[in-house]
Amino acid sequence: EDKVVQSPLSLVVHEGDTVTLNCSYEVTNFRSLLWYKQEKKAPTFLFMLTSSGIEKKSGRLSSILDKKELFSILNITATQTGDSAVYLCAVGSGNTGKLIFGQGTTLQVKP
Amino acid sequence: KAGVTQTPRYLIKTRGQQVTLSCSPISGHRSVSWYQQTPGQGLQFLFEYFSETQRNKGNFPGRFSGRQFSNSRSEMNVSTLELGDSALYLCASSWDLGRRYTFGSGTRLTVV
Repeated sequence: EDKVVQSPLSLVVHEGDTVTLNCSYEVTNFRSLLWYKQEKKAPTFLFMLTSSGIEKKSGRLSSILDKKELFSILNITATQTGDSAVYLCAVGSGNTGKLIFGQGTTLQVKP
Repeated sequence: KAGVTQTPRYLIKTRGQQVTLSCSPISGHRSVSWYQQTPGQGLQFLFEYFSETQRNKGNFPGRFSGRQFSNSRSEMNVSTLELGDSALYLCASSWDLGRRYTFGSGTRLTVV
């Protein structure tokens, strides 16, 4: 059965800290891995990774995929209170729109 | 351009009733997927549509159904509602299958 596992499930840090969120997967016919941020309702897109070893960056956020070891990490440097959210990892399988989501990591950034 | 629009935003229904939720994708997007989000199970895939055809279905009972219209708008229907159907229902759209999906803000369904 396909599965996506995120760790840790929750994290509390202080502003300015650097955090690393983990996502491991066992999915047949892997196509892509996506990271989303969910604050209130709509998950907002962060990154989509398809190739191993290529880092994607957007400001203080970055992510990398290891297709051999079947995992991805999401790094957030110099955290701010606005980074407080649930971070979701999802894996796309085959040529379909189905995404398999992990449980999410709840990040709380304290002032 | 406008994002993914879901209506209604909130809904309260009684057990045994049925409900229809609506999703208008981003203009030009042909693929629409639906997810159920609950605190215990997280986000679970319901089904996806592409060019009015259901392409994939998740592991949900037949009470959950959906359709897509020629303008790519989609509806999902849940019949004979149960308390456990209380959840946030999210719709996501993409211009093609397997691409980056943009989510709507969801419909919060409460079954009492």
